[in-house]
Amino acid sequence: QQQVKQSPQSLIVQKGGISIINCAYENTAFDYFPWYQQFPGKGPALLIAIRPDVSEKKEGRFTISFNKSAKQFSLHIMDSQPGDSATYFCAARGPDDKIIFGKGTRLHILP
Amino acid sequence: DAGVIQSPRHEVTEMGQEVTLRCKPISGHDYLFWYRQTMMRGLELLIYFNNNVPIDDSGMPEDRFSAKMPNASFSTLKIQPSEPRDSAVYFCASSPRDLLYGYTFGSGTRLTVV
Repeated sequence: QQQVKQSPQSLIVQKGGISIINCAYENTAFDYFPWYQQFPGKGPALLIAIRPDVSEKKEGRFTISFNKSAKQFSLHIMDSQPGDSATYFCAARGPDDKIIFGKGTRLHILP
Repeated sequence: DAGVIQSPRHEVTEMGQEVTLRCKPISGHDYLFWYRQTMMRGLELLIYFNNNVPIDDSGMPEDRFSAKMPNASFSTLKIQPSEPRDSAVYFCASSPRDLLYGYTFGSGTRLTVV
């Protein structure tokens, strides 16, 4: 119940296309859902986050869509660029303040 | 602020040796987390501290692992004795009291045990 399931494991998208990464969770006590971006040799960095009382949040080309009833949320990257090539992690925070991470999605944007 | 600082960046050690990883969190952050990252298991939370006090160490894999936070600006993760299966990237992260600002991760320590 503490898991966050992320898919796909890897994704290849043409430059200018839309990248979509999906996550699902079981624990309804999760109250904060961040996405992290990680480049090789670096630590993960917070990209965008959402709370469950909001259905969508947009920051630039990055959008989180949140479906509370389905217990699913997704990251959309519009107009994907080669610089977006990285590993993306969805995550969720429980009432114990621990943030649990998904297994990650390796995104590659073709130039 | 220089961010979360971890040292060393790379560590190669022989099986059975003691390994100490170090972390300096961002000044003023109340929380400090130690994570381990591997291809197979992803990012695993090992232990976290709130105001220098260990809150949850349920992710520490074995008694060979220990972590301390003697003050607000320093934490260590120790493995004694080390084993090849401990090879991974170890991340330290810190966060202010309001976790909605998210964690700030260090650049990690890549540990190789041969």
